[in-house]
Amino acid sequence: SQQGEEDPQALSIQEGEKATMNCSYKTSINNLQWYRQNSGRGLVHLILIRSNEREKHSGRLRVTLDTSKKSSSLLITASRAADTASYFCATGADSSYKLIFGSGTRLLVRP
Amino acid sequence: DARVTQTPRHKVTEMGQEVTMRCQPILGHNTVFWYRQTMMQGLELLAYFRNRAPLDDSGMPKDRFSAEMPDATLATLKIQPSEPRDSAVYFCASGSHVGGTEAFFGQGTRLTVV
Repeated sequence: SQQGEEDPQALSIQEGEKATMNCSYKTSINNLQWYRQNSGRGLVHLILIRSNEREKHSGRLRVTLDTSKKSSSLLITASRAADTASYFCATGADSSYKLIFGSGTRLLVRP
Repeated sequence: DARVTQTPRHKVTEMGQEVTMRCQPILGHNTVFWYRQTMMQGLELLAYFRNRAPLDDSGMPKDRFSAEMPDATLATLKIQPSEPRDSAVYFCASGSHVGGTEAFFGQGTRLTVV
């Protein structure tokens, strides 16, 4: 069963614009991770934010976490056509080692 | 270049046949996951292992699926007998301390059961 739901399911933006994807989850977590999947490929880890962190940056990526609302956002700034992919959030519970994925957001960046 | 290797990449089989998918985790990783991805259900966790011991396989249909780690370099997922509804992409992922750190995914096995 999936832990998280992502919003929107699909997003289409112009190159150079910002892309914002949201993830909501249900149970307590140790950390939340974001992954990217290009069509027909495996998932690639982007960034991890721990439950005691509120914001994290990595290059053009910015992730926020609100544990009181059980939600996270991934922001991609200055988007490029190469950012076109599906993006998934995944929640980790340190005690159980489980990693549960959300339903994903399909991002299309138009040149 | 450390990577998770899955074989085969593609498999077409007839309903009722046994299917075995293999995964070589990254050397030194002690947590291995099997996921199934479909358009309808998304990424489902089927089973995962820690230090070769199965921790949770509640996501797997027990009557036909089985997952094992015969040794630290090999994880297998078997379906017997296969059914058309098993058609999906099956991913293996490994990590050193998942869910506290990132998981590394293989390229997947695309299974089609006709």
